Amino acid sequence: AQSVSQHNHHVILSEAASLELGCNYSYGGTVNLFWYVQYPGQHLQLLLKYFSGDPLVKGIKGFEAEFIKSKFSFNLRKPSVQWSDTAEYFCAVSGNAGNMLTFGGGTRLMVKP
Amino acid sequence: SQTIHQWPATLVQPVGSPLSLECTVEGTSNPNLYWYRQAAGRGLQLLFYSVGIGQISSEVPQNLSASRPQDRQFILSSKKLLLSDSGFYLCAWSAQGRGRLGNQPQHFGDGTRLSIL
Repeated sequence: AQSVSQHNHHVILSEAASLELGCNYSYGGTVNLFWYVQYPGQHLQLLLKYFSGDPLVKGIKGFEAEFIKSKFSFNLRKPSVQWSDTAEYFCAVSGNAGNMLTFGGGTRLMVKP
Repeated sequence: SQTIHQWPATLVQPVGSPLSLECTVEGTSNPNLYWYRQAAGRGLQLLFYSVGIGQISSEVPQNLSASRPQDRQFILSSKKLLLSDSGFYLCAWSAQGRGRLGNQPQHFGDGTRLSIL
């Protein structure tokens, strides 16, 4: 069975600090990887996704994530965060057996102005 | 463009009462549909998914059931709510993928916060 771990439950940063949120997954086959974001009071929305090809993927709002197959990781990064990045971030995985997503527990990011 | 509607936004129900949460998708046909429960610190737990009308798969045993009476309608139900059913419920849809499975992102509704008293 698939599982996803996000080890940082809460992260507090000052504006302009760099961000890296960890995501590790457990799955034996080919995976599709996603990062979703939920801003306060809003619905979950897709930030970026990886299916194949270049393991460094770029998403919206300056976010990027790197798929490292040997480490089963898909960490999310942003060089310089803004107050508006305050949100909860979810890593998710689906395998080729179907389109069911397995989500990590989420990381709550607070950016101080 | 595609939209997903979920209602009600909040619901307070007594223990033992029935439940019906509705989700509809517009602007697409034959979507995959999903019900999740979101718990703080535990991410999203998939409850049900459907690949077509009348086709429901359950991921976890529970007090809830789902139905898909129409192509773009997905309903989450219970005959008798338990206190443990309290939570935040999310509906989502994805397109039927072509070729490689599992590569369609999911699009989420605004959620229903259910409180059981």
